[in-house]
Amino acid sequence: EAGVAQSPRYKIIEKRQSVAFWCNPISGHATLYWYQQILGQGPKLLIQFQNNGVVDDSQLPKDRFSAERLKGVDSTLKIQPAKLEDSAVYLCASSISSGGAGEQFFGPGTRLTVL
Amino acid sequence: SQQGEEDPQALSIQEGENATMNCSYKTSINNLQWYRQNSGRGLVHLILIRSNEREKHSGRLRVTLDTSKKSSSLLITASRAADTASYFCATPEGGGGNKLTFGTGTQLKVEL
Repeated sequence: EAGVAQSPRYKIIEKRQSVAFWCNPISGHATLYWYQQILGQGPKLLIQFQNNGVVDDSQLPKDRFSAERLKGVDSTLKIQPAKLEDSAVYLCASSISSGGAGEQFFGPGTRLTVL
Repeated sequence: SQQGEEDPQALSIQEGENATMNCSYKTSINNLQWYRQNSGRGLVHLILIRSNEREKHSGRLRVTLDTSKKSSSLLITASRAADTASYFCATPEGGGGNKLTFGTGTQLKVEL
């Protein structure tokens, strides 16, 4: 079974630039998550999709972050404009069931450095 | 907000020794999960223990859950160098099937 795919693996940008991350979840997984993990901390949920609908985006800084999941499969997370404090690893995960009811499968993450 | 808090923050042991890490959480839960994160990689699910379970085993892993104390422990027996990683507990916030909230993690280093 193929795992969660993410690209790019690494990205370095200047502050105020924009950046986009892509995620392809495990086939058949209806729920998709984007997490932000700052160095030395645990992952923090940014947004959760159930199919192509948003379930929870309460911790997504909507003035600069946006995410979409067209057709309920792949998803993109965008930051525009980026700030220094956005430097982090962005993890995508998927699961069969919704929310914390079961196991989530994580991709390798995208390490973003904002200079 | 961080639901779970792991203790200790860092742990260094010799290969073959046992490693114990603890997690405390704040609200009622219906399950608690443990994840491992190797350096530079994504998280891997290790084990899920439900609120009506007190202990669960998976290979060299043993997880306990004490809902009265709102705490859980992860024991890794006969540790190996490959167990070197960060370990996180995660709980559904709000007690139900809502978003998973991760703790701050324990960094385990297993030395040869």
